This record gives sequence, C-alpha cells and structure tokens, in this order.
Amino acid sequence: EDQVTQSPEALRLQEGESSSLNCSYTVSGLRGLFWYRQDPGKGPEFLFTLYSAGEEKEKERLKATLTKKESFLHITAPKPEDSATYLCAVQAPQSNSNSGYALNFGKGTSLLVTP
Amino acid sequence: NAGVTQTPKFQVLKTGQSMTLQCAQDMNHNSMYWYRQDPGMGLRLIYYSASEGTTDKGEVPNGYNVSRLNKREFSLRLESAAPSQTSVYFCASSARDGILSNQPQHFGDGTRLSIL
Repeated sequence: EDQVTQSPEALRLQEGESSSLNCSYTVSGLRGLFWYRQDPGKGPEFLFTLYSAGEEKEKERLKATLTKKESFLHITAPKPEDSATYLCAVQAPQSNSNSGYALNFGKGTSLLVTP
Repeated sequence: NAGVTQTPKFQVLKTGQSMTLQCAQDMNHNSMYWYRQDPGMGLRLIYYSASEGTTDKGEVPNGYNVSRLNKREFSLRLESAAPSQTSVYFCASSARDGILSNQPQHFGDGTRLSIL
C-alpha cells in the first residue's frame, strides 16, 4: 500500500538553528511530490513541486530536495515566522480508480521556532 | 485576489441534520477537490471534479455528495450528518485537469464542522 511518512512529528528550533524535515514515500509511478505550509486555522499553502530525483527548489530560507525514496525540506537560519505545520504530499496513480492520480498527504511536521 | 473561498467558516449541526458546504474559486481552474482533515491523520480526499460536468469518488466518499455547479463552484453536501463527520473540510482547485496531471492544488481556509 502506498504510504507517505513525515518525520519528525514535531520539531522545536532556536532562531537561526538550521535543520531538515523528512518525507519518505513508497508509491509506484510518482508523478510529483508537493510541499505545503499550513498555519493554524488556515488551509495548506503551496510551497514547491518536485518531479524527479535529483531536483531541488528554493524559496527564501527553504530548500526542497528529492530522491527516489524521500524528500527533505531544509530550513536555513529559521525565524519565528517560519513556525507552522509542513505537509508533504505525493501524486501517484490511484489504486482504486480507473483514472487519475491521487494526492496522498503525510501527517505533517509541526515546526516551532523560538526567538 | 481571493483564490479559493469556502463558506461557512464554522458550523455546528445536530446528528441527522443536512447541510451544504460551498466552495468557489476565481483562478479559472478546471479541477476542484474536497478533503477532510482530522487530528493525527493526513488530508483525505472525499470527492473531486476533474473538469466541469464530472465528479468522482476519492478515498472517503461515504455519507457525502457533491455538485459541480459550474466551473467556479463545487459544493459538498452532508445528507444526514453523523458525529464521525466532525472535521475540518478543505476545498482545493488546480489548473488543467489536476487529477490527470501534476499541477499543484491550491486550498481554501476550510470549514470547521462539529456534529453533536
């Protein structure tokens, strides 16, 4: 069965302390891997799409990378405003449908950055 | 630039009542989706509409119905609400047949639904 696992579940960092979030997946026929940020009481906000192993994307203090089995979201010198839950989702063929590619979400990593 | 707008933002229902959650997008996207998000679980797809005039079941469709009213609007209906349907419901949209391609989905801010 296809799975998306994010680790750690929660992470607390001091401002300026760099770290990485992990998203490991076991899907066949990956079409894309997506990273989202979700603030409390809000919907997920799209950050990046990665399509193939070796690809990297950057946005401000965030950098996403992709291998054949996992993706990392690297956070460099984080600030308190980076505190949020980060969601990973993979798109692959649906096993219970004749059409389409389902988006399977992980449970997220809750990041807290303290001053 | 509104993006994806969901109404209402909060709702409390009694078991057995019915209601419709509304969603509208102004990005001219073809595909729209309904998810539910529960504590300790990832977002789960309820129904989706790859294009205007089509709808299909997702992972957890039981107890729900949907209507793709036009290109902009996609509603989710609970015919007879049950406590197990207490959740946060998110609507999303994506460009150009998002189910058939790998375009990112863009989300609204959700409807928080409690069923007593």
